[in-house]
Amino acid sequence: EPEVTQTPSHQVTQMGQEVILRCVPISNHLYFYWYRQILGQKVEFLVSFYNNEISEKSEIFDDQFSVERPDGSNFTLKIRSTKLEDSAMYFCASRPRSVSSGNTIYFGEGSWLTVV
Amino acid sequence: QKEVEQDPGPLSVPEGAIVSLNCTYSNSAFQYFMWYRQYSRKGPELLMYTYSSGNKEDGRFTAQVDKSSKYISLFIRDSQPSDSATYLCAMSLFNGGYNKLIFGAGTRLAVHP
Repeated sequence: EPEVTQTPSHQVTQMGQEVILRCVPISNHLYFYWYRQILGQKVEFLVSFYNNEISEKSEIFDDQFSVERPDGSNFTLKIRSTKLEDSAMYFCASRPRSVSSGNTIYFGEGSWLTVV
Repeated sequence: QKEVEQDPGPLSVPEGAIVSLNCTYSNSAFQYFMWYRQYSRKGPELLMYTYSSGNKEDGRFTAQVDKSSKYISLFIRDSQPSDSATYLCAMSLFNGGYNKLIFGAGTRLAVHP
């Protein structure tokens, strides 16, 4: 069964360092998302991406964050200067275009980011 | 008022029990309703998806949506220890396809043998 794959599974980084989280969405999907989940808290929307541009972003997604789909298969989330409060599990997700599939969004296994 | 409210539990039941998980929401414009299962430190796994009101059944799982009451439920019949996980409700508007999900806090379920 097709799945969303994410790398790395776990990354520890120093505060102030740049981090890039990578995702390979399901191949025929056209909508891409990043969500995050701080330990013990709910899953929160960060950004949605369609047709090579951001379609919506939350207030969490400030200027420190950026997304890119550099080569038609990978989808990346960059955090320019990490802060302690960026420590969380980051989930990539994707959705097909088909109207019949409705809103079936599929998630990857997550990248656990620890900022020290 | 939170957009989506979900009792965090934990909910502990014996194997074979019928489990009822619920969420309420405040935004009457939500049209899509989903239930995800999440094991510890793993990604949410889509269990059930429902559009608008009504019931949907898939094996041991039944999802119900009551838009008039802004209330959704997931029932698990003949619960198994492998069902032990956190169950997340999620919902969204339809805004041209982007459809960000709004999640509940998740209910932790433990099914003991």
